[in-house]
Amino acid sequence: KAGVTQTPRYLIKTRGQQVTLSCSPISGHRSVSWYQQTPGQGLQFLFEYFSETQRNKGNFPGRFSGRQFSNSRSEMNVSTLELGDSALYLCASSYGTGGWDSPLHFGNGTRLTVT
Amino acid sequence: GQSLEQPSEVTAVEGAIVQINCTYQTSGFYGLSWYQQHDGGAPTFLSYNALDGLEETGRFSSFLSRSDSYGYLLLQELQMKDSASYFCAVNMDSNYQLIWGAGTKLIIKP
Repeated sequence: KAGVTQTPRYLIKTRGQQVTLSCSPISGHRSVSWYQQTPGQGLQFLFEYFSETQRNKGNFPGRFSGRQFSNSRSEMNVSTLELGDSALYLCASSYGTGGWDSPLHFGNGTRLTVT
Repeated sequence: GQSLEQPSEVTAVEGAIVQINCTYQTSGFYGLSWYQQHDGGAPTFLSYNALDGLEETGRFSSFLSRSDSYGYLLLQELQMKDSASYFCAVNMDSNYQLIWGAGTKLIIKP
């Protein structure tokens, strides 16, 4: 079974630009979550989608948005990029709504650098 | 606010046992998860505790005390490949909103 696929792996953007990141979950997984990871900060929850509906959103500004398509693939968009947005963005999929029987399966992430 | 505390770094010797602690303060609690992340890699799921007690999976065990808002990950017979960062995370509600600790970097010496 193929794992979670994130594209692109690396991205360099300039302040003020916008960026779209893509995530293809494991086949059959309907939940997709997005996280921002910076050194020493752990993983910060961005949002979670289930069957095309955003069920939870973390404490990030409105510049961060996402969506999920009917095939469970998800995209994340960041507009008006700031230097502080430089981070590893991780996507994770799961079969259900959480717990031991539906752990998160992470992709290798997209490393975004804003200059 | 919500917070999870875990040590930033732990050093141990190959073949030894190490315990990584995690204390949490969250407004909701469904369970405590542990993930492993090697440098440059993706986090991978290790264990999940919803009830008090010890869960054992091979060389790894995880413990939870809900009354103390405390858990730990126990790694036995340490191998060099266990060198990684370990994250604890709390499921706050049924919709899989996870709050994560900042991670513990485990350094293993031969």
